[in-house]
Amino acid sequence: DTGVSQDPRHKITKRGQNVTFRCDPISEHNRLYWYRQTLGQGPEFLTYFQNEAQLEKSRLLSDRFSAERPKGSFSTLEIQRTEQGDSAMYLCASSFGGSSYEQYFGPGTRLTVT
Amino acid sequence: KQEVTQIPAALSVPEGENLVLNCSFTDSAIYNLQWFRQDPGKGLTSLLLIQSSQREQTSGRLNASLDKSSGRSTLYIAASQPGDSATYLCAAYQMYSGGGADGLTFGKGTHLIIQP
Repeated sequence: DTGVSQDPRHKITKRGQNVTFRCDPISEHNRLYWYRQTLGQGPEFLTYFQNEAQLEKSRLLSDRFSAERPKGSFSTLEIQRTEQGDSAMYLCASSFGGSSYEQYFGPGTRLTVT
Repeated sequence: KQEVTQIPAALSVPEGENLVLNCSFTDSAIYNLQWFRQDPGKGLTSLLLIQSSQREQTSGRLNASLDKSSGRSTLYIAASQPGDSATYLCAAYQMYSGGGADGLTFGKGTHLIIQP
């Protein structure tokens, strides 16, 4: 499968714990995006990388959130001191800059904070 | 700030009907517009992408149109089938000078049910 993959698919954690999600983009894609989706809503942009550089961050990305993309390959999204309001689906997408910028999404990581 | 609205929020039609889903956006300075399908609890599947210079795109039974000047896009589904039941999302992509972007701005989606 050469699509976008995310791990884990589901994560249940207790409030106050730290969690980390991983996204592996389509191999030739240089842009990688993170979105968050809550029930009944469309996804909301969190941040994006071009290669290893994090170029934009939404105001939704509080200080408890951090994202990395070492060497411009896979990316991780960490949430520190999780809160119940962090419960959502976290989606990763990738695209190839310089063309249509069509974004391809992974299956998402469903986070439940208890 | 870009805002995307989708109408209707939900739609239920008998199998075989042709239908139109509507999407409107407030800032016409978009780079492209994508239509996605999302099944319950799943990620998004890209259906069609329309570049800002294009007026429409077609894939099988799907046709998407774009009118930048009026801030509207429509997704036309011909001869609907029960397997088309899903949530359909439209999203606008904007880029800024220097290549920066804020990612896609999504609508809340249209929840579509095709009755057998």
